[in-house]
Amino acid sequence: EVQLVESGGGLVKPGGSLRLSCAASGFTFSSYSMNWVRQAPGKGLEWVSSISSSSSYIYYADSVKGRFTISRDNAKNSLYLQMNSLRAEDTAVYYCARVFELEGMFDYWGQGTLVTVSS
Amino acid sequence: DIQMTQSPSSLSASVGDRVTITCRASQSISSYLNWYQQKPGKAPKLLIYAASSLQSGVPSRFSGSGSGTDFTLTISSLQPEDFATYYCQQSYSTPPTFGPGTKVDIK
Repeated sequence: EVQLVESGGGLVKPGGSLRLSCAASGFTFSSYSMNWVRQAPGKGLEWVSSISSSSSYIYYADSVKGRFTISRDNAKNSLYLQMNSLRAEDTAVYYCARVFELEGMFDYWGQGTLVTVSS
Repeated sequence: DIQMTQSPSSLSASVGDRVTITCRASQSISSYLNWYQQKPGKAPKLLIYAASSLQSGVPSRFSGSGSGTDFTLTISSLQPEDFATYYCQQSYSTPPTFGPGTKVDIK
């Protein structure tokens, strides 16, 4: 069974940093691109970042470029999101999601971890 | 970036109703269109991919159609567990973008 479990969320002050993790199991993690998608309270879904299976290709939304860094450790079946210079508008539930390469859809999602940026 | 719009933004329907949600892309995305269902406090769940392919385990009352810029999600007979918010998403180009969502609630 495919499982994605996020952790690392919490309350952080504006300008602070946080590192999110996503532990994957039930599939060959090293064969799939992975993404982070976020959802601000009461709002819709916003793609944040993606990383290819071998980390060769990395993309970011303009809203987080230069502040967030996506990475992965295929030996540990883990995905990460380092978030720096956090702003109030980064407050959201952050989901990790697996991408099915051929069609590009997000076929499995974690349960999400809440990041709150507030003084 | 490709912009996605959905209509309506919300609708009220009864159990057994046929429900149709429309999604439009700002440029042609071929059939790279996916639909997700999200219930409150839960992660999105993939329903339809490649515009019309049913994800494994999803009930057959859900169907998708369209290509190019105009797409439709249809629920043939609404069930109590279908009350949720539905999002379309294009996977034609990076960044992947989502529609604003359509909330389906009980009439």
